[in-house]
Amino acid sequence: KQEVTQIPAALSVPEGENLVLNCSFTDSAIYNLQWFRQDPGKGLTSLLLIQSSQREQTSGRLNASLDKSSGRSTLYIAASQPGDSATYLCAVLSGSSYGKLTFGQGTILTVHP
Amino acid sequence: DAGVIQSPRHEVTEMGQEVTLRCKPISGHDYLFWYRQTMMRGLELLIYFNNNVPIDDSGMPEDRFSAKMPNASFSTLKIQPSEPRDSAVYFCASSFWTGGGHIQYFGAGTRLSVL
Repeated sequence: KQEVTQIPAALSVPEGENLVLNCSFTDSAIYNLQWFRQDPGKGLTSLLLIQSSQREQTSGRLNASLDKSSGRSTLYIAASQPGDSATYLCAVLSGSSYGKLTFGQGTILTVHP
Repeated sequence: DAGVIQSPRHEVTEMGQEVTLRCKPISGHDYLFWYRQTMMRGLELLIYFNNNVPIDDSGMPEDRFSAKMPNASFSTLKIQPSEPRDSAVYFCASSFWTGGGHIQYFGAGTRLSVL
């Protein structure tokens, strides 16, 4: 059974810092890995999707990397801003669960001015 | 497209009552997912459909929960009878398969409180 773990559970940083969120998964047989953002009281918004054959994806100030063999992914946020404050969730689509995402518990990020 | 639309946004009911949550997926998407989110258990997949057919309902907690997708533009999640432990935020998501996976688009959720 696939399990996804995110570290840290919460992170508070001053504006302008570069930061890294971590995600690990137990079964390396994955189709892809996604990073989502969730604002309070809202649904999830997909930020980046990395296919199993890829090493990283970039979108603006966000960069996500994938090391499938070690079961790890990182989300790098450059020059953080207060508007980045949200919960960030990692999810994997496993080869044994066609269509079924397994989510981590999320990292609550607070960027203070 | 307006995105995935869920209704109602909030539902407060008493234990034992029937609750029906509704979802309209994005037009053209052939997958629909129902999730439940709580502080204790995080985000859990309850059931998902492909082309209106239920594919995996192993996450449905018990027989009190049922889901239907009568057509490509509408789905319901029903709880009968409801219990206080069903209180959670319920999300619907839709997607289409691109060969290398799919990006799921989430609705804003329905916050359910069972008293």
